[in-house]
Amino acid sequence: QVQLQESGPGLVKPSQTLSLTCTVSGGSISSGTYYWTWIRQSAGNKMEWIGRIYSSGRTNHNPSLKSRVTMSVDPSKNQFSLKLTSVTAADTAIYYCAREDNRWVLNPWGQGTLVTVSS
Amino acid sequence: DIVMTQSPDSLAVSLGERATINCKSSQSVLYTSNNNNYLAWYQQKPGQPPKLLIYWASTRESGVPDRFSGSGSGTDFTLTISSLQAADVAVYYCQQYYSTPHTFGQGTKLEIK
Repeated sequence: QVQLQESGPGLVKPSQTLSLTCTVSGGSISSGTYYWTWIRQSAGNKMEWIGRIYSSGRTNHNPSLKSRVTMSVDPSKNQFSLKLTSVTAADTAIYYCAREDNRWVLNPWGQGTLVTVSS
Repeated sequence: DIVMTQSPDSLAVSLGERATINCKSSQSVLYTSNNNNYLAWYQQKPGQPPKLLIYWASTRESGVPDRFSGSGSGTDFTLTISSLQAADVAVYYCQQYYSTPHTFGQGTKLEIK
């Protein structure tokens, strides 16, 4: 049973870079035809798809975040990562990682990690 | 981007009664070459991540009770809970995966009346 777990700082200062890692267990990040995805949930339950990365490194990201997003994958550690630069209070959210499976749906999800942007 | 709009924003239904949640997309999410609607429904309970309920608009995920059903095609979709149980109290989201960015509805909060 594949499981995902997010990790990273819970507090980031404005203008700095938010960095999160998702560790995959119970399966190889390189196996299958999966995309590894980041989603965030902000105040009012707003769900936003941030982007996804294939094990080869190919990415798609949400244009709303413009060029602030960088995603990477480390098959040797069975992890994938998210960096979001120049954060503001609007980036405060619960950040989830999830697997986009071969049905193109998000399953499973990590438990999520709250990131607060504040000085 | 495809905009997903759910209605209502919140809903209170008596135990054992039917609950219906609607989702409308700003453009069709039907891929005509395979006749699949790229629409999923997720359930999120407090303090938990979302859980997949329905995909391809009407296919129930393994292990999901059969009181949950999805219907619709093109731009208009419905999630129906045929007989509401206390365990169904949650926020429900639709999501399109027809094109990136994969967008979500704003969520519908379902409560017991």
